[in-house]
Formats: sequence, C-alpha cells, structure tokens
Amino acid sequence: QVQLVQSGAEAKKPGASVKVSCKASGYTFTSYALHWVRQAPGQRLEWMGWIHAGNGNTKYSQKFQGRVTITRDKSASVAYMEVSSLTSEDTAVYYCARDNLNYACDYWGQGTLVTVSS
Amino acid sequence: QSALTQPRSVSGSPGQSVTISCTGTSSDVGGYNYVSWYQQHPGKAPKLMIYDVSKRPSGVPDRFSGSKSGNTASLTISGLQAEDEADYYCCSYAAYAGIDCWVFGGGTKLTVL
Repeated sequence: QVQLVQSGAEAKKPGASVKVSCKASGYTFTSYALHWVRQAPGQRLEWMGWIHAGNGNTKYSQKFQGRVTITRDKSASVAYMEVSSLTSEDTAVYYCARDNLNYACDYWGQGTLVTVSS
Repeated sequence: QSALTQPRSVSGSPGQSVTISCTGTSSDVGGYNYVSWYQQHPGKAPKLMIYDVSKRPSGVPDRFSGSKSGNTASLTISGLQAEDEADYYCCSYAAYAGIDCWVFGGGTKLTVL
C-alpha cells in the first residue's frame, strides 16, 4: 500500500533552517510528483511547492520562492523540503502528499511539526 | 496567489444536505478542471474526497459530490452523518502570470447538529 512517512518533529531557533524528509513506499517513486503543504496552528492549508520525482522538476509558491528548496533522492525514494531563515511564522505542521497525476493529493504523510521559537 | 474563498462555517442536521462553495478567478477555479476537495478531522492529515471537479477516489461515499460553474466550485454532502463533521478545503491548480501553482481555500468548518 502507498505510504508516505515523514521525519520527526523539529524545534528551531529563528534564523535557522530545517529539512524535512518524506519516505515513499508502495508505488513507483519516479512516476509521481510530490507536493509540500503546510498548516500553521488553527490556520488553513497552504501549498508550498512540488517536485516531480522522476525528472526532478520543481515548482514553488511565489511566497516561498528563494527560501524553500525541494529535492529528492531517487535511489532512496525520499523527498526533502528545506526552509531557511525561519521565523516564528513558520511554526506549522508540514505535510508531503503524492500527486495523483490529476493535480490532486491522494496520499498524505503524517505531518511534521516544526516549532520556531527563541 | 490569494486563497480561494470559502464560507467559514456551514451546518446541517443528520440526513440533510449541505453545499460548500469555493470561489476563485479565471486563473484558477474558472480556468481549469483541476479542483479538488479535502476533508480534515482535528489533528489528522487531510483526505482527498473529490478531484477533477467531480470525481470521487475509490472508497469515498457517493454522498459526496462536486461541481463547478464559472469561477465557483461546490462540494455537496448529502445524507449528512455525524462523522462528516470536519474541516473541508478546496484546492485548485492555477496559473498566475504564466507561473503555475496550486492554491487552497480558507477552509470551511462543517458542524453536524
């Protein structure tokens, strides 16, 4: 069965960076894209970016362009999302989700809580 | 890339139907048939309920249906059940000034009375 397993919770200081991983299993990793979506406490879902696991092409929300980097390791079936220059406003649960080839997210990771506090 | 507009809350009694709207622009909802809907229970990851405006993934009850007219998409839940109480988010593929992306709505809290 399709599974996306994310790395554990992180606590960071303002100005630091965080890198979250998303390990995929149960399907051909390189045939699909993966989205990254975040949700601040009590807030809406927010799309951050996307990577096609096969060719490595990426797309980013203009809001995060330049501060977010999404990569993947095909050999390990893992996608990564790194956010730099963290502020308290980046405190959120970060999700990876598989694109179902129709621009929708059919499988989601369990989420990774990133807390930014001095 | 503003969020799509959804009502903050809707409510209905068990057995009734409710409709949640999602309004965007011709650059997102109105321009593409890539609208999806997600159900999220507290503390849980979102779950895909509708994609391509009106298609249901395997396992989603046919009580859930989607449609679109112009720049507004809608999710209708018929025969409301207690377990339908959750937050619902719409999402659309979009292209703004030639840059493609995805945009979510602000979310709607569904209360089953």
